[in-house]
Amino acid sequence: DAKTTQPTSMDCAEGRAANLPCNHSTISGNEYVYWYRQIHSQGPQYIIHGLKNNETNEMASLIITEDRKSSTLILPHATLRDTAVYYCIAAGSGNTGKLIFGQGTTLQVKP
Amino acid sequence: DTEVTQTPKHLVMGMTNKKSLKCEQHMGHRAMYWYKQKAKKPPELMFVYSYEKLSINESVPSRFSPECPNSSLLNLHLHALQPEDSALYLCASSQEPTGINQPQHFGDGTRLSIL
Repeated sequence: DAKTTQPTSMDCAEGRAANLPCNHSTISGNEYVYWYRQIHSQGPQYIIHGLKNNETNEMASLIITEDRKSSTLILPHATLRDTAVYYCIAAGSGNTGKLIFGQGTTLQVKP
Repeated sequence: DTEVTQTPKHLVMGMTNKKSLKCEQHMGHRAMYWYKQKAKKPPELMFVYSYEKLSINESVPSRFSPECPNSSLLNLHLHALQPEDSALYLCASSQEPTGINQPQHFGDGTRLSIL
């Protein structure tokens, strides 16, 4: 599975959009980009995933560049409850079901 | 609320004890996973079960013994653990084990402390 690179930490004002970048320059053609988040003392929570096209669900939007080397997770109106560690994972090669978590981005939403 | 239930939530055990962690899901998922997470680190995969058979063991020491009695249950048997095994143990499941378009759903983990 491809390695991903994310900023260590980010701040966002409450009510504003949070844009979390992820670099996955070695992603292969059949690997999906997954985003999970982990709020303190809880298990990771699935947010969204995509292959090529941009995706949107009730939690977030995922924008994947045309060359698929990077992506951005967008939380449209961040709240204090969105404070968490956000993990971007490129997964799917070999069809093993393995998820390899990187260090993630700690997002702090401030009032 | 999580659809993957893990028990107990907390466990303290001595190095000579034998204990088990339990994970349950009723989503009809056919793949189940164990992860280990040390403090301030990302989760690390330990085992993958596919249709109740062990498909991946990430070179985990034999003092950790997984078991999948049926498609809804996953156990992790612990014996002769070391203090460095203290961690959050997370269970996850996904609909199919080999589908790359398959999100994993996680429980909230068992926080294990080895004395």
